[in-house]
Amino acid sequence: SQTIHQWPATLVQPVGSPLSLECTVEGTSNPNLYWYRQAAGRGLQLLFYSVGIGQISSEVPQNLSASRPQDRQFILSSKKLLLSDSGFYLCAWSGQGANEQFFGPGTRLTVL
Amino acid sequence: QKEVEQNSGPLSVPEGAIASLNCTYSDRGSQSFFWYRQYSGKSPELIMFIYSNGDKEDGRFTAQLNKASQYVSLLIRDSQPSDSATYLCAVRADSWGKLQFGAGTQVVVTP
Repeated sequence: SQTIHQWPATLVQPVGSPLSLECTVEGTSNPNLYWYRQAAGRGLQLLFYSVGIGQISSEVPQNLSASRPQDRQFILSSKKLLLSDSGFYLCAWSGQGANEQFFGPGTRLTVL
Repeated sequence: QKEVEQNSGPLSVPEGAIASLNCTYSDRGSQSFFWYRQYSGKSPELIMFIYSNGDKEDGRFTAQLNKASQYVSLLIRDSQPSDSATYLCAVRADSWGKLQFGAGTQVVVTP
């Protein structure tokens, strides 16, 4: 069966510090991968998606970036965090050609 | 701008009653529709998906799709306190599999 992991689970960072969040998927090959952000009391905003290694599409302009160095690894990064980057970061995967997306446990980021 | 709209609630439902949640979408070309349940502080969990007009039942859950009217609904029968959560409606936006989410409806089941 497929499993998706995210770490860390929670993170408190000062403004201006760098960020690296990691997501890995087990039990499947060549998944589509997605990064979402959910601000407090709001819906999910798609940040990035990837259909293969090294292929990243950005949905919204921001100070975040994503990379996919391996087939089942997806990384979200920032060089300098802003207060507005606080939120619940969710990684999701779907099978190639499949419709359903499955979410990881998420990382709760607080920028102070 | 493609939009997915949901009533934010909270929707208060007595235990054992039917909870009815609605979702409308703006992109007439949308083909796939999903309902996720999200408990407070947790990540969303897929509970239903529907692709064709009509009803789809899975246990106590029924999803209903009407593409002509551009709405999708979720019925929860015999509501239990454990059904208290926020329910997110999602619509597949394009061929890459991107989903457009509504802001969610909070459901509170009262004993």
